[in-house]
Amino acid sequence: NAGVTQTPKFRILKIGQSMTLQCAQDMNHNYMYWYRQDPGMGLKLIYYSVGAGITDKGEVPNGYNVSRSTTEDFPLRLELAAPSQTSVYFCASSLTGGDYGYTFGSGTRLTVV
Amino acid sequence: DAKTTQPTSMDCAEGRAANLPCNHSTISGNEYVYWYRQIHSQGPQYIIHGLKNNETNEMASLIITEDRKSSTLILPHATLRDTAVYYCIVRVAIDDMRFGAGTRLTVKP
Repeated sequence: NAGVTQTPKFRILKIGQSMTLQCAQDMNHNYMYWYRQDPGMGLKLIYYSVGAGITDKGEVPNGYNVSRSTTEDFPLRLELAAPSQTSVYFCASSLTGGDYGYTFGSGTRLTVV
Repeated sequence: DAKTTQPTSMDCAEGRAANLPCNHSTISGNEYVYWYRQIHSQGPQYIIHGLKNNETNEMASLIITEDRKSSTLILPHATLRDTAVYYCIVRVAIDDMRFGAGTRLTVKP
């Protein structure tokens, strides 16, 4: 049982480049989330999804897009990378709306230069 | 508008109980208290949650005051591997799991 798998683990982007952060879970969880964590800070919710085909904005959605075509996958897209998007990105999933906790991936460390 | 207040850092001796406080004086009747921890740069790990009754699981105990304005997470026998940042979160909605700065617990030998 892999849980929540995030790829890549590390990435360096140049300003203006685009990329997709991948997130997959094998627990048949309906709910999935993307957070970002800046150095020394807590986590901020970017987007979340309550099921395939349904996504919604979190606290800091600007500069990001998501899609949820399957229950398993929840990719996060950065279209025009900016230095302010340098952060660690965590994907999480939960069976219900988090009543029994979220399962987090190991994160993607992104640097925009 | 932070919903919780936690000390920035705490130390605990290995083998002793670690008691991590959290204030949530504006909590509403239907809001749960959640605790997570984040070891080094890993993803956060769920520990425990509760509404108004005390809760215990294999990892920790959660004590919520009768007026629900504060809570304490107890790690009964702290080990070096419990060194982490501990987050106390008050949550009612799916998009409301907000992780603040947390408490950095250092367990010392």
